[in-house]
Amino acid sequence: QVQLVQSGAEVKKPGASVKVSCKASGYTFSNYAIHWVRQAPGQRLEWMGWINAGNGNTKSSQNFQGRVTITRDTSASTAYMELRSLRFEDTAVYFCARFAVVVPTAHGFDSWGQGTLVTVSS
Amino acid sequence: DIQVTQSPSTLSASVGDRVTITCRASQSISRWLAWYQQKPGKAPKVLIYKASSLESGVPSRFSGSGSGTEFTLTISSLQPDDFATYYCQQYNSFPLTFGPGTKVDIK
Repeated sequence: QVQLVQSGAEVKKPGASVKVSCKASGYTFSNYAIHWVRQAPGQRLEWMGWINAGNGNTKSSQNFQGRVTITRDTSASTAYMELRSLRFEDTAVYFCARFAVVVPTAHGFDSWGQGTLVTVSS
Repeated sequence: DIQVTQSPSTLSASVGDRVTITCRASQSISRWLAWYQQKPGKAPKVLIYKASSLESGVPSRFSGSGSGTEFTLTISSLQPDDFATYYCQQYNSFPLTFGPGTKVDIK
């Protein structure tokens, strides 16, 4: 079965960076995209960016002002999201989610990781 | 950016009730809209994609409709497992955006 497994919780200081991993299994990794979505406490879901796992093309939300980098390692079927210059307001649960590369065939985000809590605290 | 709104923000209902949630986009998104259910401490789960297509394994009491800028999610007969928060999401254009959520709780 399709599964996305994320790395564990992190506690970081303001100004630091965090890198979250998302290991895929149960499907051909390069046939899909991986998106990153975060959810601050009590807030709505916020899209951060995506990577085409096949060709490596990426796009990130301008809301993060260039602080986000999304990469992948096809040999490990793993995607990564790095967020730099962390602020207190970056405290959130970060999710990865699978999405078909060809939009008309997409079933929305049809599989999600379990979420990774990132806490920014001094 | 396409703004997505939902109404109501909270909905109190009883088991067996018919429930309808509305989602509006700030510009036309054709039918590129998905609905998700989220329970506390869990990842969202897709219910409906392309406005009205039921995801495999999702009970048939869930249905979606709409196109352009206005969409609805209907639960025909609310079950105990359905008490959760529901989000709509547009995937017509980047940045992908979600609605603020509708919490369905027990009346």
